[in-house]
Amino acid sequence: DTGVSQDPRHKITKRGQNVTFRCDPISEHNRLYWYRQTLGQGPEFLTYFQNEAQLEKSRLLSDRFSAERPKGSFSTLEIQRTEQGDSAMYLCASSLGLASNEQFFGPGTRLTVL
Amino acid sequence: KQEVTQIPAALSVPEGENLVLNCSFTDSAIYNLQWFRQDPGKGLTSLLLIQSSQREQTSGRLNASLDKSSGRSTLYIAASQPGDSATYLCAVPNYGQNFVFGPGTRLSVLP
Repeated sequence: DTGVSQDPRHKITKRGQNVTFRCDPISEHNRLYWYRQTLGQGPEFLTYFQNEAQLEKSRLLSDRFSAERPKGSFSTLEIQRTEQGDSAMYLCASSLGLASNEQFFGPGTRLTVL
Repeated sequence: KQEVTQIPAALSVPEGENLVLNCSFTDSAIYNLQWFRQDPGKGLTSLLLIQSSQREQTSGRLNASLDKSSGRSTLYIAASQPGDSATYLCAVPNYGQNFVFGPGTRLSVLP
């Protein structure tokens, strides 16, 4: 296991369609985070899991967004009825969950909504 | 709400120079601070993590310092190289387990 992986790396969709992204964290990392990043900005927190429990959600995570982490392993982020404003890089990170809580990021999924 | 700023927003230096990037945060009650590097269109690479009990962390040509009381951290890069060209971001915890990122400093090292 060499790091956090994300799939797909790029997604182009039409407005109104649903999309789903997948994140596979580093093995044995029990914390998993989703962030969104737009051009020229730092990542913005969306949601966080401790094992399979979703413990925090940002106000950025509207009701069109849903995230899951079944069995505490990989996670999926689904966006329903996509809008052009959803176009961004979606980043996933994981951490061991110890006091240091160092985060390790995946390569991201670039979403373009036409 | 925790807010993070980074100055300068962009920096261009000739190869070989030493340089300092700055990160400021509004709430000093943090338990750690992490510095990242991001290449264009890529994910983030962790550079250094500083615990609240530490004042410095070093990795190769990189040195990060943390002054919680003043709400500041600096990332020092020694003997810069063109391969150091990237955006550098700092992140601090935001009253929980999520993190707040600064907008980043875009560094260009000219050969």
